[in-house]
Amino acid sequence: GENVEQHPSTLSVQEGDSAVIKCTYSDSASNYFPWYKQELGKRPQLIIDIRSNVGEKKDQRIAVTLNKTAKHFSLHITETQPEDSAVYFCALSRGNTPLVFGKGTRLSVIA
Amino acid sequence: GAGVSQTPSNKVTEKGKYVELRCDPISGHTALYWYRQSLGQGPEFLIYFQGTGAADDSGLPNDRFFAVRPEGSVSTLKIQRTERGDSAVYLCASSQGTAGEAFFGQGTRLTVV
Repeated sequence: GENVEQHPSTLSVQEGDSAVIKCTYSDSASNYFPWYKQELGKRPQLIIDIRSNVGEKKDQRIAVTLNKTAKHFSLHITETQPEDSAVYFCALSRGNTPLVFGKGTRLSVIA
Repeated sequence: GAGVSQTPSNKVTEKGKYVELRCDPISGHTALYWYRQSLGQGPEFLIYFQGTGAADDSGLPNDRFFAVRPEGSVSTLKIQRTERGDSAVYLCASSQGTAGEAFFGQGTRLTVV
């Protein structure tokens, strides 16, 4: 089945700095790429998603970029705040298949 | 309901016992998914339903695991002869069709002792 590689597994940044998490995939038929945030002991929650017909999407401090040719997509968080500390998961699907998740990135924002 | 609801939130069972985990999806969502999440890992796909039928059960680890969704709404994940390796958080999610945002429940933490 489809596989998605997520890097880094852990990331520490100073408050106010930017954080970037990258995922790579192999199935060129993948066309939906969401990012989920999971705080300790809580459910994963969608923070942003992108479909294969666009290259970038922004929502305030969060952006996602997609490079279909190179088969990778990235999450960008600017002006990080302590409440951004969580585990972030990338995921993907072909649109009619279940989401496949990466292994996650534990982001720590140091005040 | 307002969101995806899973019961129980915690379940401790003895090795070899049978357990049922319940998921109540968002009303009107036709797609329902079961995932398993072990500590420090991403959600691992188990099975997904489109309406009443299991559209893809390729993630079920073995024949001890089974899931049903008889009326196209509530789903039950059933695990027979539980093993300690089954201990994990079992997450349910639902979406409007398969191309929409998937909303997760809070999960059932299963501990097999």
